[in-house]
Amino acid sequence: QSALTQPPSASGSPGQSVAISCTGTSSDVGGYNYVSWYQQHPGKAPKLMIYEVSKRPSGVPDRFSGSKSGNTASLTVSGLQAEDEADYYCSSYAGSNLVVFGGGTKLTVL
Amino acid sequence: QVQLQESGPGLVKPSQTLSLTCTVSGGSISSGGYYWTWIRQLPGKGLEWIGYIYYSGSTSYNPSLKSRVTISIATSKNQFSLKLSSVTAADTAVYYCARSWNLRWYFDLWGRGTLVSVSS
Repeated sequence: QSALTQPPSASGSPGQSVAISCTGTSSDVGGYNYVSWYQQHPGKAPKLMIYEVSKRPSGVPDRFSGSKSGNTASLTVSGLQAEDEADYYCSSYAGSNLVVFGGGTKLTVL
Repeated sequence: QVQLQESGPGLVKPSQTLSLTCTVSGGSISSGGYYWTWIRQLPGKGLEWIGYIYYSGSTSYNPSLKSRVTISIATSKNQFSLKLSSVTAADTAVYYCARSWNLRWYFDLWGRGTLVSVSS
């Protein structure tokens, strides 16, 4: 299974919005509504931010939102804050009881 | 609240078997619906799903690792384990145990991770 494609970096100023894309195929992102997003600060474990394309776990600010169109999913962070600076990873179910991850995007708050 | 903690050797020699254990605390590993998972992160790179086990013993593995991976469960100890055989330097990574709910393919709880280096 190939990894999902994410841009290596993204950036925005405090208060702005930034979107991170995650491109797969019809066999993973496009075929199932099982896309999730994880935030990882340096030296820490990943933290679930979005699941099933657009659902937010309890405790995740509503500044974080997810969507999907065709084979591409997106994570949007609105009202950027300094603590949002982190690596973000997408993942998707790929059929046959398999999960694939994206290569990660480093979000910088300018 | 439920917590996960990985344990095992931090250094493994090439060609040997990497063995890690994840201890579940604050809840029962036999609670139906949860799939206990191993995920690794290669240095400076992204995440790679290794596989999962259900409390019944049912497993699923990443095809790229399937020939070398075994995940097992010890419900009496509230633990599940990973064995990866014939390791090489390419298996050097931070290994995480995680939890997934009801085959909905997201990981809502993670351990802190443990770095395993493969070197002679």
